[in-house]
Amino acid sequence: SAVISQKPSRDICQRGTSLTIQCQVDSQVTMMFWYRQQPGQSLTLIATANQGSEATYESGFVIDKFPISRPNLTFSTLTVSNMSPEDSSIYLCSVKMGNEQFFGPGTRLTVL
Amino acid sequence: ELKVEQNPLFLSMQEGKNYTIYCNYSTTSDRLYWYRQDPGKSLESLFVLLSNGAVKQEGRLMASLDTKARLSTLHITAAVHDLSATYFCAVDGRGGEAGTALIFGKGTTLSVSS
Repeated sequence: SAVISQKPSRDICQRGTSLTIQCQVDSQVTMMFWYRQQPGQSLTLIATANQGSEATYESGFVIDKFPISRPNLTFSTLTVSNMSPEDSSIYLCSVKMGNEQFFGPGTRLTVL
Repeated sequence: ELKVEQNPLFLSMQEGKNYTIYCNYSTTSDRLYWYRQDPGKSLESLFVLLSNGAVKQEGRLMASLDTKARLSTLHITAAVHDLSATYFCAVDGRGGEAGTALIFGKGTTLSVSS
């Protein structure tokens, strides 16, 4: 299994600012995933981050808004840029190992 | 476009009763995943179903997979209050390709009362 930690666990931000979320995994993994869970909703995949290459974004998500870094096999960051209240969500980091997909504890973001 | 549909989306049950949550998906994936999420918490893996006909049980929950019908079920037996949570099913994205990110259904919010 994988143990995933995220920082910060929660934050309250002003509109127009940016927040960088960190994700640390206790094992080396090829692919890391970032999801968004809006209030009362399901999980939506934002992007897949492979080490050494640019992230692959899903429809509706763009690099300028959600830049991602993946400097090594155990770490990734997601930045939420130029935030608006619509960005208020839980952001979850996730990895796949074997036949299972594991999730971090999430970062609860509130934008005022 | 890959679709994962769950029903019902909301389920109010009495303690001791049985019920089934259904998950239909549009890809040809042979694998299906069930997760539980408590309010304010992350996702907890319940079951990973890896082949047609797979059945797994843990306590009062039993999950099954029919890949031909593209259907999975999560059966709840003699519900107890502790089972109150949101349950998600998910499949591998990109046509069921292993190693790709999971795509989730909308979730079923279960409330068990006495």
